[in-house]
Amino acid sequence: ETGVTQSPTHLIKTRGQQVTLRCSSQSGHNTVSWYQQALGQGPQFIFQYYREEENGRGNFPPRFSGLQFPNYSSELNVNALELDDSALYLCASSRRDSQETQYFGPGTRLLVL
Amino acid sequence: DAKTTQPTSMDCAEGRAANLPCNHSTISGNEYVYWYRQIHSQGPQYIIHGLKNNETNEMASLIITEDRKSSTLILPHATLRDTAVYYCIVRVVVGGKLIFGQGTELSVKP
Repeated sequence: ETGVTQSPTHLIKTRGQQVTLRCSSQSGHNTVSWYQQALGQGPQFIFQYYREEENGRGNFPPRFSGLQFPNYSSELNVNALELDDSALYLCASSRRDSQETQYFGPGTRLLVL
Repeated sequence: DAKTTQPTSMDCAEGRAANLPCNHSTISGNEYVYWYRQIHSQGPQYIIHGLKNNETNEMASLIITEDRKSSTLILPHATLRDTAVYYCIVRVVVGGKLIFGQGTELSVKP
């Protein structure tokens, strides 16, 4: 167990809807990174939040957005859902220091119909 | 971030050592080698990381060649529960994102 939790565990949405996924960091961690993992692929980096600011972004459109709260928990929001957004969404927390190992939560499985 | 190359799949007998290779010939001096594994689409699990010295923890050992262009993850006594996809990742530490490739699918067989 990493101490990183995500909710919900599973979610079904229809095309065009909006979704919010949540992540609670491991105690003492101040950085959260989000990844998308399509079936059969490795996880792909979406973005990272540090001190409530976006701190790096992968090749994802603006309809993917996020927030980090003062307690370091985080949300991933996806607007105008598309069928290809069906994936496992993973968050990872870390502590900004010289090592900054990322520890992953169990993920949220999103299915877009 | 440097790119890594891993075999697509490997088999290992239960109780034997599993040696998973990784090539990272374009690694820079400030990049670390990280290993994660993922079991049945659970969240990736951190295993070990290193810069240039060999490292060992309760899960595995990491052997990095002197020129740092390749490394080997060693699971000393593989069990059936070690069956997973193993990812070798090279990253700059501070603020560095993890770039996952396809990984190596390790099957531990009785």
